[in-house]
Amino acid sequence: GAGVSQTPSNKVTEKGKYVELRCDPISGHTALYWYRQSLGQGPEFLIYFQGTGAADDSGLPNDRFFAVRPEGSVSTLKIQRTERGDSAVYLCASSFGAVGGTGELFFGEGSRLTVL
Amino acid sequence: AQKVTQAQTEISVVEKEDVTLDCVYETRDTTYYLFWYKQPPSGELVFLIRRNSFDEQNEISGRYSWNFQKSTSSFNFTITASQVVDSAVYFCALSGMNTGFQKLVFGTGTRLLVSP
Repeated sequence: GAGVSQTPSNKVTEKGKYVELRCDPISGHTALYWYRQSLGQGPEFLIYFQGTGAADDSGLPNDRFFAVRPEGSVSTLKIQRTERGDSAVYLCASSFGAVGGTGELFFGEGSRLTVL
Repeated sequence: AQKVTQAQTEISVVEKEDVTLDCVYETRDTTYYLFWYKQPPSGELVFLIRRNSFDEQNEISGRYSWNFQKSTSSFNFTITASQVVDSAVYFCALSGMNTGFQKLVFGTGTRLLVSP
């Protein structure tokens, strides 16, 4: 596909379980971002990758959250010991180069996580 | 700290009316970017515009126009002759040099409902 692909689109889990959310960015995009959007709120920055490395992970709320991008393409957001407060839509975006370039981020449709 | 305020939670208009969405921002950065994104019901944020802090020229793109005023820290968005397809949630966002251009801070969004 031409756009950013996120799987699963919906995930329901129980409190305390481990969850992985996957993002497949647009081919050739070097920058990848994870945001979290709670109901009625704007997206909140979590982490930014340039290539394989996490250039800025200052938005990760605590050490239960971790993200990887081992080959500089697909990224996985991992949440351990999920809590009800983790329920949100997790958005992935990619861009060709940095925001300081064209400024355009391409977002996926998100993964809706519900923690019961 | 950076902050974006979108005081209008929801706006309802009838097709062909003009509508302005307000955005007020706070930042200590002298170099920053401002953005508008559209989020239709599908959930995928769509980039509309990016302006840098040194360019206060108003911009027009078809039925869309943006008014950037540093004196009032505002970056308002006007849709002329609104259409039903404009119905969506619109987000204003900000990123700055000191916190990193890659980290967008979003407002809470304005839901626009355009009825036929």
